[in-house]
Amino acid sequence: EDKVVQSPLSLVVHEGDTVTLNCSYEVTNFRSLLWYKQEKKAPTFLFMLTSSGIEKKSGRLSSILDKKELFSILNITATQTGDSAIYLCAGLPYNAGNNRKLIWGLGTSLAVNP
Amino acid sequence: SQTIHQWPATLVQPVGSPLSLECTVEGTSNPNLYWYRQAAGRGLQLLFYSVGIGQISSEVPQNLSASRPQDRQFILSSKKLLLSDSGFYLCAWSVPTGYYGYTFGSGTRLTVV
Repeated sequence: EDKVVQSPLSLVVHEGDTVTLNCSYEVTNFRSLLWYKQEKKAPTFLFMLTSSGIEKKSGRLSSILDKKELFSILNITATQTGDSAIYLCAGLPYNAGNNRKLIWGLGTSLAVNP
Repeated sequence: SQTIHQWPATLVQPVGSPLSLECTVEGTSNPNLYWYRQAAGRGLQLLFYSVGIGQISSEVPQNLSASRPQDRQFILSSKKLLLSDSGFYLCAWSVPTGYYGYTFGSGTRLTVV
Protein backbone atom coordinates (compact mmCIF):
# COMPACT_ATOMS: atom_id res chain seq x y z
CA GLU A 1 0.00 0.00 0.00
CA ASP A 2 1.30 3.44 -0.92
CA LYS A 3 2.27 5.62 2.02
CA VAL A 4 4.02 8.85 2.95
CA VAL A 5 5.56 9.25 6.39
CA GLN A 6 6.62 12.59 7.81
CA SER A 7 8.86 13.24 10.78
CA PRO A 8 8.90 14.68 13.27
CA LEU A 9 5.17 15.01 13.86
CA SER A 10 5.72 18.21 15.79
CA LEU A 11 8.58 20.56 16.42
CA VAL A 12 9.09 23.65 18.56
CA VAL A 13 11.99 25.99 17.79
CA HIS A 14 13.07 29.54 18.49
CA GLU A 15 13.19 32.30 15.95
CA GLY A 16 16.40 32.19 13.98
CA ASP A 17 16.82 28.43 14.23
CA THR A 18 17.18 26.24 11.15
CA VAL A 19 14.83 23.29 10.85
CA THR A 20 14.76 20.20 8.67
CA LEU A 21 11.51 18.38 8.02
CA ASN A 22 11.58 14.85 6.69
CA CYS A 23 9.33 12.99 4.32
CA SER A 24 9.79 9.36 3.26
CA TYR A 25 7.59 7.73 0.70
CA GLU A 26 6.58 4.44 -0.79
CA VAL A 27 4.54 5.30 -3.86
CA THR A 28 3.96 2.91 -6.71
CA ASN A 29 4.87 4.45 -10.07
CA PHE A 30 6.17 7.53 -8.31
CA ARG A 31 6.04 10.72 -10.32
CA SER A 32 6.63 13.70 -8.01
CA LEU A 33 6.70 14.79 -4.39
CA LEU A 34 4.94 17.93 -3.22
CA TRP A 35 5.27 20.13 -0.16
CA TYR A 36 2.47 22.31 1.20
CA LYS A 37 2.24 24.77 4.08
CA GLN A 38 -1.01 24.93 6.02
CA GLU A 39 -1.67 27.74 8.44
CA LYS A 40 -5.19 28.21 9.66
CA LYS A 41 -7.03 27.30 6.52
CA ALA A 42 -6.18 25.84 3.13
CA PRO A 43 -2.79 24.30 2.34
CA THR A 44 -0.69 26.43 0.04
CA PHE A 45 1.73 24.96 -2.45
CA LEU A 46 5.45 25.23 -1.74
CA PHE A 47 7.40 22.88 -3.99
CA MET A 48 7.04 20.06 -6.45
CA LEU A 49 10.08 17.81 -6.81
CA THR A 50 10.44 15.36 -9.64
CA SER A 51 14.17 14.88 -10.14
CA SER A 52 16.70 13.64 -7.62
CA GLY A 53 19.36 15.93 -6.29
CA ILE A 54 18.01 19.19 -7.68
CA GLU A 55 17.33 21.66 -4.91
CA LYS A 56 14.30 23.88 -5.16
CA LYS A 57 14.54 27.14 -3.28
CA SER A 58 12.17 29.92 -2.35
CA GLY A 59 13.54 32.50 0.03
CA ARG A 60 14.46 30.79 3.28
CA LEU A 61 12.82 27.53 2.25
CA SER A 62 14.49 24.82 0.22
CA SER A 63 13.76 21.23 -0.59
CA ILE A 64 15.44 18.30 -2.24
CA LEU A 65 14.42 14.83 -3.34
CA ASP A 66 16.35 11.57 -3.16
CA LYS A 67 14.66 9.02 -5.41
CA LYS A 68 17.13 6.30 -4.55
CA GLU A 69 16.49 6.47 -0.81
CA LEU A 70 12.84 7.55 -1.30
CA PHE A 71 12.80 10.66 0.82
CA SER A 72 12.67 14.40 0.70
CA ILE A 73 13.64 17.13 3.14
CA LEU A 74 12.32 20.62 3.58
CA ASN A 75 14.73 23.09 5.13
CA ILE A 76 13.78 26.40 6.66
CA THR A 77 16.62 28.69 7.64
CA ALA A 78 16.43 31.67 10.01
CA THR A 79 12.92 30.70 11.08
CA GLN A 80 10.34 33.36 11.85
CA THR A 81 7.09 33.16 13.81
CA GLY A 82 5.26 33.35 10.49
CA ASP A 83 6.72 29.96 9.60
CA SER A 84 4.55 28.37 12.28
CA ALA A 85 2.27 26.00 10.41
CA ILE A 86 1.66 22.40 9.47
CA TYR A 87 3.90 21.27 6.65
CA LEU A 88 2.39 18.56 4.49
CA CYS A 89 4.19 16.26 2.14
CA ALA A 90 2.46 14.28 -0.60
CA GLY A 91 3.45 11.78 -3.27
CA LEU A 92 1.99 11.92 -6.75
CA PRO A 93 1.97 8.67 -8.68
CA TYR A 94 1.54 8.24 -12.37
CA ASN A 95 -2.02 7.20 -13.03
CA ALA A 96 -3.44 5.94 -16.27
CA GLY A 97 -6.71 7.76 -15.64
CA ASN A 98 -5.02 11.06 -14.89
CA ASN A 99 -6.94 11.40 -11.65
CA ARG A 100 -3.79 12.77 -9.98
CA LYS A 101 -4.65 11.46 -6.52
CA LEU A 102 -2.03 12.49 -3.99
CA ILE A 103 -0.77 10.25 -1.19
CA TRP A 104 -0.57 12.50 1.87
CA GLY A 105 1.57 12.35 4.97
CA LEU A 106 0.13 13.42 8.32
CA GLY A 107 2.19 16.57 8.40
CA THR A 108 4.75 18.16 10.70
CA SER A 109 3.41 20.81 13.04
CA LEU A 110 6.05 23.51 13.41
CA ALA A 111 5.84 26.15 16.12
CA VAL A 112 8.37 28.99 16.04
CA ASN A 113 8.59 30.87 19.32
CA PRO A 114 9.85 34.45 19.49
CA SER B 1 -5.60 33.34 -13.67
CA GLN B 2 -7.36 30.45 -12.02
CA THR B 3 -9.28 30.83 -8.78
CA ILE B 4 -11.24 28.43 -6.63
CA HIS B 5 -14.15 29.44 -4.46
CA GLN B 6 -15.57 27.38 -1.64
CA TRP B 7 -18.44 28.25 0.64
CA PRO B 8 -19.59 28.61 3.30
CA ALA B 9 -16.53 29.17 5.46
CA THR B 10 -18.17 27.86 8.63
CA LEU B 11 -21.33 25.89 9.23
CA VAL B 12 -23.04 24.57 12.33
CA GLN B 13 -25.71 22.02 11.60
CA PRO B 14 -27.86 19.76 13.79
CA VAL B 15 -27.60 16.00 13.55
CA GLY B 16 -29.97 14.66 10.90
CA SER B 17 -30.04 17.85 8.85
CA PRO B 18 -28.95 17.96 5.17
CA LEU B 19 -25.68 19.38 3.92
CA SER B 20 -24.60 21.11 0.74
CA LEU B 21 -21.12 22.53 0.26
CA GLU B 22 -20.24 24.12 -3.03
CA CYS B 23 -16.99 24.66 -4.84
CA THR B 24 -16.41 26.44 -8.14
CA VAL B 25 -13.29 26.99 -10.19
CA GLU B 26 -12.71 29.88 -12.57
CA GLY B 27 -10.17 30.43 -15.29
CA THR B 28 -9.69 26.85 -16.41
CA SER B 29 -11.63 24.13 -18.13
CA ASN B 30 -11.98 20.40 -17.49
CA PRO B 31 -10.17 20.50 -14.16
CA ASN B 32 -9.83 17.52 -11.87
CA LEU B 33 -11.81 18.28 -8.71
CA TYR B 34 -11.41 16.84 -5.23
CA TRP B 35 -13.17 16.89 -1.85
CA TYR B 36 -11.04 16.28 1.22
CA ARG B 37 -11.81 16.13 4.91
CA GLN B 38 -9.27 17.00 7.55
CA ALA B 39 -9.77 16.04 11.18
CA ALA B 40 -8.04 17.82 14.05
CA GLY B 41 -5.89 19.90 11.70
CA ARG B 42 -4.02 16.90 10.32
CA GLY B 43 -4.33 14.04 7.87
CA LEU B 44 -6.05 14.93 4.62
CA GLN B 45 -8.55 12.23 3.74
CA LEU B 46 -9.70 12.12 0.13
CA LEU B 47 -13.48 11.73 -0.01
CA PHE B 48 -14.34 12.14 -3.70
CA TYR B 49 -12.69 13.12 -6.92
CA SER B 50 -13.97 13.89 -10.38
CA VAL B 51 -12.22 13.94 -13.73
CA GLY B 52 -15.23 15.22 -15.68
CA ILE B 53 -18.88 16.26 -15.59
CA GLY B 54 -20.99 13.60 -13.93
CA GLN B 55 -17.94 11.44 -13.17
CA ILE B 56 -17.55 10.91 -9.45
CA SER B 57 -15.25 8.46 -7.70
CA SER B 58 -15.73 7.75 -4.02
CA GLU B 59 -12.75 6.89 -1.90
CA VAL B 60 -14.38 5.90 1.38
CA PRO B 61 -17.85 4.61 2.21
CA GLN B 62 -19.67 7.20 4.24
CA ASN B 63 -22.65 9.37 4.77
CA LEU B 64 -21.68 11.84 2.06
CA SER B 65 -22.11 12.13 -1.69
CA ALA B 66 -20.69 14.38 -4.37
CA SER B 67 -21.91 15.70 -7.68
CA ARG B 68 -20.43 17.63 -10.56
CA PRO B 69 -23.34 19.18 -12.46
CA GLN B 70 -21.12 21.56 -14.43
CA ASP B 71 -17.51 21.44 -15.58
CA ARG B 72 -16.24 23.76 -12.86
CA GLN B 73 -18.71 23.07 -10.08
CA PHE B 74 -18.32 20.41 -7.41
CA ILE B 75 -20.87 19.84 -4.67
CA LEU B 76 -20.59 17.81 -1.48
CA SER B 77 -23.88 16.70 0.04
CA SER B 78 -25.45 14.68 2.77
CA LYS B 79 -29.10 13.82 3.36
CA LYS B 80 -28.69 13.38 7.11
CA LEU B 81 -25.60 14.57 8.96
CA LEU B 82 -23.95 12.55 11.70
CA LEU B 83 -21.82 13.86 14.54
CA SER B 84 -18.85 12.12 12.92
CA ASP B 85 -19.24 14.30 9.82
CA SER B 86 -17.77 17.25 11.72
CA GLY B 87 -14.45 18.41 10.34
CA PHE B 88 -12.68 20.74 7.97
CA TYR B 89 -13.69 20.18 4.34
CA LEU B 90 -11.44 21.25 1.53
CA CYS B 91 -12.12 21.42 -2.16
CA ALA B 92 -9.19 21.35 -4.56
CA TRP B 93 -8.54 21.37 -8.27
CA SER B 94 -5.70 20.33 -10.51
CA VAL B 95 -4.98 20.19 -14.20
CA PRO B 96 -5.53 16.67 -15.48
CA THR B 97 -2.05 16.28 -16.95
CA GLY B 98 1.37 17.76 -16.48
CA TYR B 99 3.56 18.50 -13.52
CA TYR B 100 1.34 20.65 -11.35
CA GLY B 101 0.02 20.26 -7.83
CA TYR B 102 -3.35 20.99 -6.34
CA THR B 103 -4.83 24.36 -5.54
CA PHE B 104 -7.12 24.31 -2.53
CA GLY B 105 -10.18 26.33 -1.69
CA SER B 106 -10.32 28.16 1.61
CA GLY B 107 -12.18 25.33 3.35
CA THR B 108 -15.42 24.88 5.29
CA ARG B 109 -15.41 24.22 9.01
CA LEU B 110 -18.43 21.99 9.66
CA THR B 111 -19.63 21.34 13.18
CA VAL B 112 -22.49 18.92 13.63
CA VAL B 113 -24.28 19.37 16.94
